[in-house]
Amino acid sequence: KAGVTQTPRYLIKTRGQQVTLSCSPISGHRSVSWYQQTPGQGLQFLFEYFSETQRNKGNFPGRFSGRQFSNSRSEMNVSTLELGDSALYLCASSLRSGGSRSYNEQFFGPGTRLTVL
Amino acid sequence: AQSVTQLDSQVPVFEEAPVELRCNYSSSVSVYLFWYVQYPNQGLQLLLKYLSGSTLVKGINGFEAEFNKSQTSFHLRKPSVHISDTAEYFCAVNLDTSYGKLTFGQGTILTVHP
Repeated sequence: KAGVTQTPRYLIKTRGQQVTLSCSPISGHRSVSWYQQTPGQGLQFLFEYFSETQRNKGNFPGRFSGRQFSNSRSEMNVSTLELGDSALYLCASSLRSGGSRSYNEQFFGPGTRLTVL
Repeated sequence: AQSVTQLDSQVPVFEEAPVELRCNYSSSVSVYLFWYVQYPNQGLQLLLKYLSGSTLVKGINGFEAEFNKSQTSFHLRKPSVHISDTAEYFCAVNLDTSYGKLTFGQGTILTVHP
């Protein structure tokens, strides 16, 4: 079974531009979470999507947004890029099979490295 | 709000020596606990997880961790490390009321010397 794929792997943008990153989850996985990784702040949760709805959101400004499609693929968008948005963006998928006490582990993709100049 | 503290930012060790990477968490509700490993220019790979049951959990590549509820700790151990274990290790927690959101520690860089 193929793993989580993220495209593109590398991106270079300039300040003020916007960017869209894509994540394809493992087949059958219905939940997609996004994380930002920087040397200073470490790994921080951005948001989670399940059944095309945002279920959880981290503490990021509204410039960061996302969506999920009916096939569970997800995109995240960052508008009006700032230098501080340079980071590795990771997405993770999980089954989210249901049940209030159930938990399905997250599988991570290789990430998209965004550089803002 | 929950938080995760990894007590060592860097741990150097010689090959075949034992290693312990320390992780403490704070949360007022039940949590699930994880250790992930990240090799350079790659994503995160799950080493092991604690969801419930036995407090000693075994993972891949010979790693194990022990959940200590009274000390709110989840330390990672390996009795004998290899050069290939050189990587960054992250401890993470998830609240059972907040599916899909992992809170990570700052990471511990494990360097194994020959």
